[in-house]
Amino acid sequence: KAGVTQTPRYLIKTRGQQVTLSCSPISGHRSVSWYQQTPGQGLQFLFEYFSETQRNKGNFPGRFSGRQFSNSRSEMNVSTLELGDSALYLCASSNKTFLVPYNEQFFGPGTRLTVL
Amino acid sequence: GDSVTQMEGPVTLSEEAFLTINCTYTATGYPSLFWYVQYPGEGLQLLLKATKADDKGSNKGFEATYRKETTSFHLEKGSVQVSDSAVYFCALSERNAGGTSYGKLTFGQGTILTVHP
Repeated sequence: KAGVTQTPRYLIKTRGQQVTLSCSPISGHRSVSWYQQTPGQGLQFLFEYFSETQRNKGNFPGRFSGRQFSNSRSEMNVSTLELGDSALYLCASSNKTFLVPYNEQFFGPGTRLTVL
Repeated sequence: GDSVTQMEGPVTLSEEAFLTINCTYTATGYPSLFWYVQYPGEGLQLLLKATKADDKGSNKGFEATYRKETTSFHLEKGSVQVSDSAVYFCALSERNAGGTSYGKLTFGQGTILTVHP
């Protein structure tokens, strides 16, 4: 079974630009979560999508948004980039259902975003 | 809110030494607990999990026991190898009243482990 894939793996942007990152979950997984990893703040939850609906949202400004498609693939968008948005953005998928009482997430390799 | 606290790092050990990385948590409900490992340049890999009190998760020689009374989930390994050098993250996931997990993992700050030959 293929793992979680993220594209692109590396990205360089300048302040004020916007960026879209893509995540393809493991086949059959309907839940996709996004995380931001920085040296200073560690791993922080951005949002979760399940069946094309945002189910949870972390404490990030509205410049950070996402969506999920009917095939469970997900994208996240960051508008008006700031230097502080430089980070590793990780996507994770889960086959979470009401029958599965825990939230075992499988992570992709991440997209390294550098804002200049 | 939920939080996870890991022991301050980094941790440096010689090969075959005993490893303990402490993890304590604060949660309003009854969370599931996880240890993830991150190797250089890679994403996170699930190392082990425990979903209820007194559960012991184990994998690749690593173990951790869900201790509800002390709100802890310490990671241990009896004999570390150079290949275990990585960053280790303790994490929790809350559940709603119906028992379904929220799609959010709350992570500790991570502990860098370096093992020398």
